[in-house]
Amino acid sequence: QQPVQSPQAVILREGEDAVINCSSSKALYSVHWYRQKHGEAPVFLMILLKGGEQKGHEKISASFNEKKQQSSLYLTASQLSYSGTYFCGTESWAPNSGNTPLVFGKGTRLSVIA
Amino acid sequence: GAVVSQHPSWVICKSGTSVKIECRSLDFQATTMFWYRQFPKQSLMLMATSNEGSKATYEQGVEKDKFLINHASLTLSTLTVTSAHPEDSSFYICSARGLAGAFLDNEQFFGPGTRLTVL
Repeated sequence: QQPVQSPQAVILREGEDAVINCSSSKALYSVHWYRQKHGEAPVFLMILLKGGEQKGHEKISASFNEKKQQSSLYLTASQLSYSGTYFCGTESWAPNSGNTPLVFGKGTRLSVIA
Repeated sequence: GAVVSQHPSWVICKSGTSVKIECRSLDFQATTMFWYRQFPKQSLMLMATSNEGSKATYEQGVEKDKFLINHASLTLSTLTVTSAHPEDSSFYICSARGLAGAFLDNEQFFGPGTRLTVL
């Protein structure tokens, strides 16, 4: 079941913050966040596995709510390099020897302008 | 880090020909590889799950006779688009997961993608 991402698109000025949401109607096993630039493959950002978990790297962080049905990606003090399409990928059940595929949301197009 | 390569990076072919795309995990073993297709401005859509030594599992709506997947070893999976047509033109991306427990967060590693253009 495809997760729902919001917003579909957002335009920011450098230095502004943004939040991208990823929601599921059912509890998830994990949420993976990726950023993809035009014509390139997705680049892994982070994984969230535990309800209530929050993690981050530099000025990008993410959370996974207690019920494990929603994750949010936080972009702080955005830079031009943050531009791209952000996808969340979800797993609905625990992987069995790694053979569980990710189901991706439709993406959120982020444009950071000077 | 874990690296996944794809070959070729891009290919242009005539309608009716077959095209083979390779996906390799360079520094880890991958029991399972996944094949995705992405049309312009759309999300990644899973085509099939490829398990080493067994038949691939195809998603609904994906023709297994048209998109042949072979996973001959723990480091190589191939996707062959048979009798390609212009509507098959797309960005094909593979991803791989390591053996259970190989990586802390059980993440998927993506290849750089192959852009197929069918004339």
